[in-house]
Amino acid sequence: EVQLVESGGGLVQPGGSLRLSCAASGFTFSDHYMDWVRQAPGKGLEWVGRSRNKANSYTTQFAASVKGRFTISRDDSKNSLYLQMNSLKTEDTAVYYCTRVGNYSWFYDYWGQGTLVTVSS
Amino acid sequence: DIQMTQSPSSVSASVGDRVTITCRASQGVSSWLAWYQQKPGKAPNLLIYGASSLQSGVPSRFSGSGSGTDFTLTISSLQPEDFATYYCQQANSFPLTFGGGTKVEIK
Repeated sequence: EVQLVESGGGLVQPGGSLRLSCAASGFTFSDHYMDWVRQAPGKGLEWVGRSRNKANSYTTQFAASVKGRFTISRDDSKNSLYLQMNSLKTEDTAVYYCTRVGNYSWFYDYWGQGTLVTVSS
Repeated sequence: DIQMTQSPSSVSASVGDRVTITCRASQGVSSWLAWYQQKPGKAPNLLIYGASSLQSGVPSRFSGSGSGTDFTLTISSLQPEDFATYYCQQANSFPLTFGGGTKVEIK
């Protein structure tokens, strides 16, 4: 059974940093692209960034709203995905979802339960 | 960036009704379009990908159509478990973008 479990969310002050983790199981993690998607309270979905697989040189890509502040990394040996968030702003407050990009569909066929990040003083 | 516009933003319907939701892209996305269902407090769930392909395990009352800029999600006979918010998403080009959502409510 495919599972994605996020952790690391919490309350952080503006300008602070936070690192989210996503533990994957039930599939060959190293084969898949993985994305982070967020959802501000009561709002819609927003793509945050992508981590491509080893076959695609582990390249990453980000939304303009987080580029230069957020980085994505992965450790295929630990089946884990990470989102390092720096210089956090109040508008980064959201539930952050770890998602698997389907190798066949090329859309998000599995989502984690989400972890809430609150940026507030 | 490609803007995705969903309509209506909300719809009230009864069990058994046929419900259609539309999604318009600001520029062509070919068939790189998906639909997700989200229930309160839960992560979204993939329903349709490639504009019209039904994701494994999704009931056949859900269907998708369209290509280019205009897409539709149809629920042929609304069931109690279908009351939720639905989102479209394009994957034709970065940044990946979602529609604003359509909330399907009980009439």
